Amino acid sequence: DADVTQTPRNRITKTGKRIMLECSQTKGHDRMYWYRQDPGLGLRLIYYSFDVKDINKGEISDGYSVSRQAQAKFSLSLESAIPNQTALYFCATSDRDYTETQYFGPGTRLLVL
Amino acid sequence: RKEVEQDPGPFNVPEGATVAFNCTYSNSASQSFFWYRQDCRKEPKLLMSVYSSGNEDGRFTAQLNRASQYISLLIRDSKLSDSATYLCVVKYAGNNRKLIWGLGTSLAVNP
Repeated sequence: DADVTQTPRNRITKTGKRIMLECSQTKGHDRMYWYRQDPGLGLRLIYYSFDVKDINKGEISDGYSVSRQAQAKFSLSLESAIPNQTALYFCATSDRDYTETQYFGPGTRLLVL
Repeated sequence: RKEVEQDPGPFNVPEGATVAFNCTYSNSASQSFFWYRQDCRKEPKLLMSVYSSGNEDGRFTAQLNRASQYISLLIRDSKLSDSATYLCVVKYAGNNRKLIWGLGTSLAVNP
């Protein structure tokens, strides 16, 4: 079984809709992250959380919100989806170690029409 | 100037070839360095960390040159399965700890 799972894997939605992307992990890691990946722009950090009570904005948080429901769960919401939020979204985790290796989920492909 | 820069490629090489990628970074306070591999439409996975003294993992060798602010990845005896995008990642230390991701270098190993 995968250590980091994301649901849904693919989603098509319309402009203005609110949607939620969910992430769960069984690695026991404290730190969780949401990224988006776009061609030519690479991976960009949206939000991150170092523990259940800690939420931090990344470099592109506008239009997004997150919820850390438990150590193992970190959800990303698009309050009112717009077409330029069409992207590949990755959840990741890391442990409290020096290297902070990132362990990624399989990604969610989101298309906003 | 981008904080982390990579030649996007693509690098097209025959099986068995040796290929090298470089990655330059702009912040001299960068603390840690990594190479990740990303297969098409899949998630990135850590390939190897890059240590100051250089390190090797099988056919892969990573080097760090702090004076010139670049890291490199050398792949020997390329396999078809090495075809992927290789992402350079730099970590900043201190209160503003964060990872900076390069856009990646695309490698295609041909039979």
